[in-house]
Amino acid sequence: KNEVEQSPQNLTAQEGEFITINCSYSVGISALHWLQQHPGGGIVSLFMLSSGKKKHGRLIATINIQEKHSSLHITASHPRDSAVYICAVLIIQGAQKLVFGQGTRLTINP
Amino acid sequence: SQTIHQWPATLVQPVGSPLSLECTVEGTSNPNLYWYRQAAGRGLQLLFYSVGIGQISSEVPQNLSASRPQDRQFILSSKKLLLSDSGFYLCAWRKNLGLAGVYEQYFGPGTRLTVT
Repeated sequence: KNEVEQSPQNLTAQEGEFITINCSYSVGISALHWLQQHPGGGIVSLFMLSSGKKKHGRLIATINIQEKHSSLHITASHPRDSAVYICAVLIIQGAQKLVFGQGTRLTINP
Repeated sequence: SQTIHQWPATLVQPVGSPLSLECTVEGTSNPNLYWYRQAAGRGLQLLFYSVGIGQISSEVPQNLSASRPQDRQFILSSKKLLLSDSGFYLCAWRKNLGLAGVYEQYFGPGTRLTVT
């Protein structure tokens, strides 16, 4: 079983829909990252969370440390939001490395 | 501001040929640097990280090696490529946020390698 699990693996929605992507992890972490990877491959960091909730524009990320779960929400989704969204956790033990989920491929149709 | 460069952007190499991918970072000093690989349909995998010149840690045994000849330069190499080395290679650097065990990670544009 992977240390970081994302769901769903693929998500297709219509423009304007509210989107939720989930991330569960099984290890102790000091922080969790949500990343966005566009079709060309470039990766952009969206959020880094240690607790609670963060909001940037139409994007909202939440984390529940006790339940080892995080969600990424997109309000009023738009075709330009189509990308792969990756959850990554910063493990406390060892070399403090990032462990990545498999990613969620989001497609927003106009 | 900090910038991270990678080249080449794409590369097609035959099996058995050598490889050299370069990553450079601007606007910061003594960064922690990372090489990741993303194989087709799979998540990102950490290959190497470096905390300073000449200091390389390998995360997984493989056909690749890494070197850090200068503070802001990180090189990924192979003497003989395998088909399984195909993938998208990303360089990244780490920015500490002043909180214990918490940092941001910034990724380069990546190199798409196809081994034929």
